[in-house]
Amino acid sequence: AQTVTQSQPEMSVQEAETVTLSCTYDTSESDYYLFWYKQPPSRQMILVIRQEAYKQQNATENRFSVNFQKAAKSFSLKISDSQLGDAAMYFCAYRMGRDDKIIFGKGTRLHILP
Amino acid sequence: EAGVAQSPRYKIIEKRQSVAFWCNPISGHATLYWYQQILGQGPKLLIQFQNNGVVDDSQLPKDRFSAERLKGVDSTLKIQPAKLEDSAVYLCASGTSYGYTFGSGTRLTVV
Repeated sequence: AQTVTQSQPEMSVQEAETVTLSCTYDTSESDYYLFWYKQPPSRQMILVIRQEAYKQQNATENRFSVNFQKAAKSFSLKISDSQLGDAAMYFCAYRMGRDDKIIFGKGTRLHILP
Repeated sequence: EAGVAQSPRYKIIEKRQSVAFWCNPISGHATLYWYQQILGQGPKLLIQFQNNGVVDDSQLPKDRFSAERLKGVDSTLKIQPAKLEDSAVYLCASGTSYGYTFGSGTRLTVV
């Protein structure tokens, strides 16, 4: 069965600094998708970044980038120039097929220190 | 485009009562999901619909939970009777191959 593990329950970073959130996953599949979602106190899950397993190039969205290590089954999220609005729960997630369910990790709560 | 709409936003009920949640997905999204998110945990899939057919309900406690998606659009999730451990946020999402869009969820408190 596929699993997603986030080993950091909480992290803190100074405003304008860079922080990296860790995620590992377990799968026997070769074709899948990985996601990072942000959940602020409003509860709405917001897609931050998406990575297709067949792509070797790491995905980037403005200040957010990933380090995708397929062999190691690692998918970390780097947030550059951290802003107060980045404070939220961050969930790493895995999906096998195009319309398959998403499996979430337990999340990392990110605090931004002014 | 309009997002995924959910109602109510909050609900407090006593144990053994029944409750229903409603979800209106993004227009044209064939796939609809209901997730349960217990405080401090990641969301767990309860049921997945493709149009009005069930694709995966393996983690739905069928003795008390039911869900339907009539006409392949709106969906309702019902709990009857509720237990204390059902206290959670219930998230609805609709999806494409690119990703899912989530609603703001319903926070259920069972007392």
